[in-house]
Amino acid sequence: DAKTTQPPSMDCAEGRAANLPCNHSTISGNEYVYWYRQIHSQGPQYIIHGLKNNETNEMASLIITEDRKSSTLILPHATLRDTAVYYCIVRRTSGNQFYFGTGTSLTVIP
Amino acid sequence: GAVVSQHPSWVICKSGTSVKIECRSLDFQATTMFWYRQFPKQSLMLMATSNEGSKATYEQGVEKDKFLINHASLTLSTLTVTSAHPEDSSFYICSAPTGASHETQYFGPGTRLLVL
Repeated sequence: DAKTTQPPSMDCAEGRAANLPCNHSTISGNEYVYWYRQIHSQGPQYIIHGLKNNETNEMASLIITEDRKSSTLILPHATLRDTAVYYCIVRRTSGNQFYFGTGTSLTVIP
Repeated sequence: GAVVSQHPSWVICKSGTSVKIECRSLDFQATTMFWYRQFPKQSLMLMATSNEGSKATYEQGVEKDKFLINHASLTLSTLTVTSAHPEDSSFYICSAPTGASHETQYFGPGTRLLVL
């Protein structure tokens, strides 16, 4: 399984963009990058996923480097409700199992 | 997105008893579901893959006789913690994949288990 590395914690000012990095240098060519977040005592919430192209939805943007060894999740205008632990996951192509890393605890500051 | 529910949301039981946790996909069918465990201030740990119509597959180090999984239908998987002990106290979360290639997993809200 491709292992992911994320900074343990980050702060972001409310209203500013939050850029959360993730390294996945051992990713295989057909493995997807997923981002989930977990607000305290809740189940993880799906945010976005991608293979090699940049992706955008109503929640966030995902930027994947050309060599696919790293990616960045962008929350364009962070709000206090975006305070959560954000997980970057590389999905196995067989079995669909997700193996969670330690994630990044994002704190949005008023 | 797709909705996954869990029941109960929290449970307190005495040591030695068994506890059953249900995971349901409410608006889609799931031939596969996943069970995770999360201890305080730690990440989610995959315990097992629940397969409809066949045996569950367990991750290394997870006791299959301790954590019984039954995928009763295309919308229901159950996890039974048998002879629970205080060290089994944890947050149990299930997920189910959906999409054309089962590419996105949706997670339930979790079940908090406290064993006294």
